[in-house]
Amino acid sequence: EDQVTQSPEALRLQEGESSSLNCSYTVSGLRGLFWYRQDPGKGPEFLFTLYSAGEEKEKERLKATLTKKESFLHITAPKPEDSATYLCAVQARGVTSAARQLTFGSGTQLTVLP
Amino acid sequence: GAVVSQHPSWVICKSGTSVKIECRSLDFQATTMFWYRQFPKQSLMLMATSNEGSKATYEQGVEKDKFLINHASLTLSTLTVTSAHPEDSSFYICSARRGGRGAFSSYEQYFGPGTRLTVT
Repeated sequence: EDQVTQSPEALRLQEGESSSLNCSYTVSGLRGLFWYRQDPGKGPEFLFTLYSAGEEKEKERLKATLTKKESFLHITAPKPEDSATYLCAVQARGVTSAARQLTFGSGTQLTVLP
Repeated sequence: GAVVSQHPSWVICKSGTSVKIECRSLDFQATTMFWYRQFPKQSLMLMATSNEGSKATYEQGVEKDKFLINHASLTLSTLTVTSAHPEDSSFYICSARRGGRGAFSSYEQYFGPGTRLTVT
């Protein structure tokens, strides 16, 4: 069974204080690992897809990296508007309906204080 | 691109009534849509996978007769909560996967803004 564990559950940073969020996963053949941002009362917003170990992607202050066992979401010099819950999800290889599903972690709630 | 809408954004209904929630992919075709449920401060729980033109696949523990899913077109899926009860109150979110069928189509899922259902 695919599993995704995110840590920490909650993180409070001062504005400008860089940090990283962790996503550890076990999956029977990784098709892709996804990062989403979710604001309270809204649906998740797609951020990145990573497909293979060693891959990195960047978007503004965010950078996602991937190894064979985990992914990191690095936040450089965060601003208060970066406050949100960040969700990690994996998709397994395969052609079945089950393989096309995403398995989500429980998320990291990030608060950036001004 | 890749915008998904949901309607309504919130709904309050009385116990025993049915509620329909629409999920639309606005600028792409989605052969596969997913319905999730999210409780406060918890992650998303997949309820069912909806494929255009075929029956939905429900996750274990999700009642098919209570949560009716119809995916009649490449841009629209609906979730009907039948005979709703207070325990059905939750945040329902749909997502759409862009691209065609098969293992090599696009993998990203794009989410709608969610529908807050309150059953009194």
